[in-house]
Amino acid sequence: VQLVQSGAAVKRPGSSIKVSCKASGDSFGTYTLGWVRQAPGQGLEWVGRFIPFIGVADYAQQFQGRVTLTADTATTTAYMEMSSLRSDDTAVYYCVRTGSGGSLFWGQGTLVTVSS
Amino acid sequence: EVVLTQSPGTLSLSPGERATLSCRASQGVTDNYLAWYRQKPGQAPRLLIFGASTRATGIPDRFSGSGSGTDFALTISRLEPEDFAVYYCHHYATSPWTFGQGTKVEI
Repeated sequence: VQLVQSGAAVKRPGSSIKVSCKASGDSFGTYTLGWVRQAPGQGLEWVGRFIPFIGVADYAQQFQGRVTLTADTATTTAYMEMSSLRSDDTAVYYCVRTGSGGSLFWGQGTLVTVSS
Repeated sequence: EVVLTQSPGTLSLSPGERATLSCRASQGVTDNYLAWYRQKPGQAPRLLIFGASTRATGIPDRFSGSGSGTDFALTISRLEPEDFAVYYCHHYATSPWTFGQGTKVEI
């Protein structure tokens, strides 16, 4: 399993961003796709997760209403869209896929910089 | 929400020594879906252990994970220079996924 994310982006405060995560390997629709972020000098923070085979997403409380997680099973690509960006959303965003036996696979990360 | 508490905050050791890191969960972790990562400055987290005790692909056998329920540990049998880094535990059985605050292993 490999996860390849879209490239770094610089966004203005108040704008939106959509980060993609292209998965290769087996059973895209079977397992959970999570999103995690890490702000500069900080720890790891869960954003939310999407379960493709039932089409359901859930989100960390602090991102409810501002983040939308989706996936396209035809192209085996997951997306994280975040709106109303603020400077404290500056972080590296990672997609993380679960696998059989509790395995985990991480994307390479996407740096999102929010700056005026 | 499963809160993960890592200890100690910082571990000061020398190359060749043994390191034991702890991760305590506020409630039982379903199916022992508990992972460990090593993160060096400026790099992405590297998955070491998943399912509490299974080494990820390419991870040397000096790393071992143990524990179940609420108490988990990561042991590094002989520290190599590249092991001086920050380590995180991660619960991913149920929503919300949570992370410990990290343990720094320093020389």
